[in-house]
Amino acid sequence: KQEVTQIPAALSVPEGENLVLNCSFTDSAIYNLQWFRQDPGKGLTSLLLIQSSQREQTSGRLNASLDKSSGRSTLYIAASQPGDSATYLCAVRPTFNKFYFGSGTKLNVKP
Amino acid sequence: EPEVTQTPSHQVTQMGQEVILRCVPISNHLYFYWYRQILGQKVEFLVSFYNNEISEKSEIFDDQFSVERPDGSNFTLKIRSTKLEDSAMYFCASSGPGLGQETQYFGPGTRLLVL
Repeated sequence: KQEVTQIPAALSVPEGENLVLNCSFTDSAIYNLQWFRQDPGKGLTSLLLIQSSQREQTSGRLNASLDKSSGRSTLYIAASQPGDSATYLCAVRPTFNKFYFGSGTKLNVKP
Repeated sequence: EPEVTQTPSHQVTQMGQEVILRCVPISNHLYFYWYRQILGQKVEFLVSFYNNEISEKSEIFDDQFSVERPDGSNFTLKIRSTKLEDSAMYFCASSGPGLGQETQYFGPGTRLLVL
């Protein structure tokens, strides 16, 4: 069974810092990997999706990379803002229909 | 912007009662999913649904659970006889046809409390 781990569990940074969130997974046979954002009491918002054949994806200040062979993905957030404060979830998809989620990194960006 | 909606937002029920959680996916989407998140724990996949049948289900999705698309717009999760450990936030998600099928759009969730 796929195990997904996210480090760190929590992170507090001052506004403007660049930061990296880490995700590791145990089985490299994946269909794709997706990063989500979860705000308290709300659903999940998709941020970036990386197909298994891709190495990275970018959207605005976010960049996600994938190294399938080592079972790692990173989410890079440039010039962090207080509005980025949320929990960031990594989800690995071994097949089209199924996700395995990490436990998330809770980010607090201080003004 | 189209969004996935879920009702009710909160539900409290007694152990052993049946509950039905409702979701309205984005209108042209073809793939539907249920997830749950027990307080303080990971989001867990329950079931995926396509073309009026279950595509895949997890070990959690046992005979107490069922899903249905009763009409062209709703997607429901039924828990036949609730247990205390069913208390969780339940999320519905959907994804679209073509290139859009890869990205799942989540609803805001239903918080279920079993007493």
